[in-house]
Amino acid sequence: SQQGEEDPQALSIQEGENATMNCSYKTSINNLQWYRQNSGRGLVHLILIRSNEREKHSGRLRVTLDTSKKSSSLLITASRAADTASYFCATRNYGQNFVFGPGTRLSVLP
Amino acid sequence: DTAVSQTPKYLVTQMGNDKSIKCEQNLGHDTMYWYKQDSKKFLKIMFSYNNKELIINETVPNRFSPKSPDKAHLNLHINSLELGDSAVYFCASSQVGGNSYNSPLHFGNGTRLTVT
Repeated sequence: SQQGEEDPQALSIQEGENATMNCSYKTSINNLQWYRQNSGRGLVHLILIRSNEREKHSGRLRVTLDTSKKSSSLLITASRAADTASYFCATRNYGQNFVFGPGTRLSVLP
Repeated sequence: DTAVSQTPKYLVTQMGNDKSIKCEQNLGHDTMYWYKQDSKKFLKIMFSYNNKELIINETVPNRFSPKSPDKAHLNLHINSLELGDSAVYFCASSQVGGNSYNSPLHFGNGTRLTVT
């Protein structure tokens, strides 16, 4: 069964605004990762947060993790048109499998 | 210098045909994967190989057969193609062994398979 569930499914914002995407999951995890997929391309890893971490930053990205609620959020600040893409969360337990959510399609309008 | 490369990028074929997709990674990773992405962008694991050994084999029709000649290659062969096989197939790799739980997935750019 699918582990991660993102919401919203689609998000449209103006350039310069912040974009927040949420991810929920069902079972215990070792870490949670966020990926970006541009149209016609493979997924690219953005940021990883371990299960014992609560917040992590990377450039304009901020990720939070609440293991008690089994949820994570990805915040992109000062969005740009180039941020237009689909964003996926993926959870990993202690095995080899990465389980992806259905993704959020972000459109940043100039 | 592509880290995970898969070929072909596009594959258009008729029902009933047999086709293969090739994947190679030059990252030295010990684990490779095949994912299927449907029209709604939903990504589902199909297979995972660790050092040429099959580790994950989700509920995939046995018309799909992965082959890993060495740990840098994982090919996907599909027999008797059906309309429902149309999707984008992604190869990925990761370092899983040892204490590598924080190693992310590296994806190829996908193969868009269209079965007519």
